[in-house]
Amino acid sequence: ETGVTQTPRHLVMGMTNKKSLKCEQHLGHNAMYWYKQSAKKPLELMFVYNFKEQTENNSVPSRFSPECPNSSHLFLHLHTLQPEDSALYLCASSLLAGESPNEQFFGPGTRLTVL
Amino acid sequence: KNQVEQSPQSLIILEGKNCTLQCNYTVSPFSNLRWYKQDTGRGPVSLTIMTFSENTKSNGRYTATLDADTKQSSLHITASQLSDSASYICVVSETGSSGGYNKLIFGAGTRLAVHP
Repeated sequence: ETGVTQTPRHLVMGMTNKKSLKCEQHLGHNAMYWYKQSAKKPLELMFVYNFKEQTENNSVPSRFSPECPNSSHLFLHLHTLQPEDSALYLCASSLLAGESPNEQFFGPGTRLTVL
Repeated sequence: KNQVEQSPQSLIILEGKNCTLQCNYTVSPFSNLRWYKQDTGRGPVSLTIMTFSENTKSNGRYTATLDADTKQSSLHITASQLSDSASYICVVSETGSSGGYNKLIFGAGTRLAVHP
């Protein structure tokens, strides 16, 4: 285990549903990330939070809404998704760039299927 | 444009054999290069990390090399086991990103299947 947990592990939802993905890190890190992994494509960075403040939104559609209530928890709220949003959603955490080591540790992911 | 390209896209080998995976990158400014192993349905797990000045790094049966001049890296797996079946992802870290974190540039991965 990497110290980063994600729930649920699998999620099937319709295009009109609203759901949330949860991520929790037990590593004392101060940066958290959401990535999208589609089949045979590189991981795509979606959002970055440093000390609960969003520092990057990588042109993600507004149907994805992140929330970071504290440095240990990260949520991704989903609404009116499209079938092309089906993918593995990975959460990661790290120390900030100036702190060593700043390796990103990944959670197991949530496999999302949008019908 | 910063990119990481991996080859081959997929590979099948027999248990006990060796194999080498390739990674070419065009990331600047360069901070470090990591190889991750990702089992099906799981998140990536780091195998090795190398900075600019390091040429080789080993982790058990995994040996990574880095040629910073040609911007190439390889991951060599010795005496493969069935549990080595996974995707292997080359990740290059870019320094100088705003927001207090080092931006990671991911390759698409090599899918390795080890058969008995």
